[in-house]
Amino acid sequence: AQSVTQLDSQVPVFEEAPVELRCNYSSSVSVYLFWYVQYPNQGLQLLLKYLSGSTLVKGINGFEAEFNKSQTSFHLRKPSVHISDTAEYFCAVRNYGQNFVFGPGTRLSVLP
Amino acid sequence: ETGVTQTPRHLVMGMTNKKSLKCEQHLGHNAMYWYKQSAKKPLELMFVYNFKEQTENNSVPSRFSPECPNSSHLFLHLHTLQPEDSALYLCASSQRTSGSSGELFFGEGSRLTVL
Repeated sequence: AQSVTQLDSQVPVFEEAPVELRCNYSSSVSVYLFWYVQYPNQGLQLLLKYLSGSTLVKGINGFEAEFNKSQTSFHLRKPSVHISDTAEYFCAVRNYGQNFVFGPGTRLSVLP
Repeated sequence: ETGVTQTPRHLVMGMTNKKSLKCEQHLGHNAMYWYKQSAKKPLELMFVYNFKEQTENNSVPSRFSPECPNSSHLFLHLHTLQPEDSALYLCASSQRTSGSSGELFFGEGSRLTVL
């Protein structure tokens, strides 16, 4: 069975500082990896995804993530955050043909 | 039209009421999903429909009854709910459930409060 761990439930960071949101997964087979963002009172929106190929994936709003197979990680990074990045971030995995498994989420709070 | 539309956005109901949540997708997808999002809990998959057929019921109580009349529409019929059913109900769609690496596209959710 697959599982996703997001070690940090909350991450406060000052505006224009870099941020890394951690995601680790467990799976016995190859998976596809996703990061979603949820702004208050909204649904989840796809930030980026890794299917195959280059392990560094760039997404919307200046975010990027790196797939590390040996460490079974898919950490999300942004070099300089804005107040508008304040939201909940969810890591998810999907085995080919299976349902998504979501992590518990990390609440990013960007402080002025 | 936005990709996945959910109505109503907010719903308050008593425990004896019967109401329905509606989801419509304009993406040409064949799979649709209901998720429940409660405070302090991970996203919970409730139901999955693939080409109008229910392919997953994740041990959801019978007071939640899904309906998928076609690949574009998904309903969640609610009756005799409990206060602990108060949550954000999210609808999502994807190209299909099997043989695909495609992502989920979510609606904005229906915030349900059961009094």
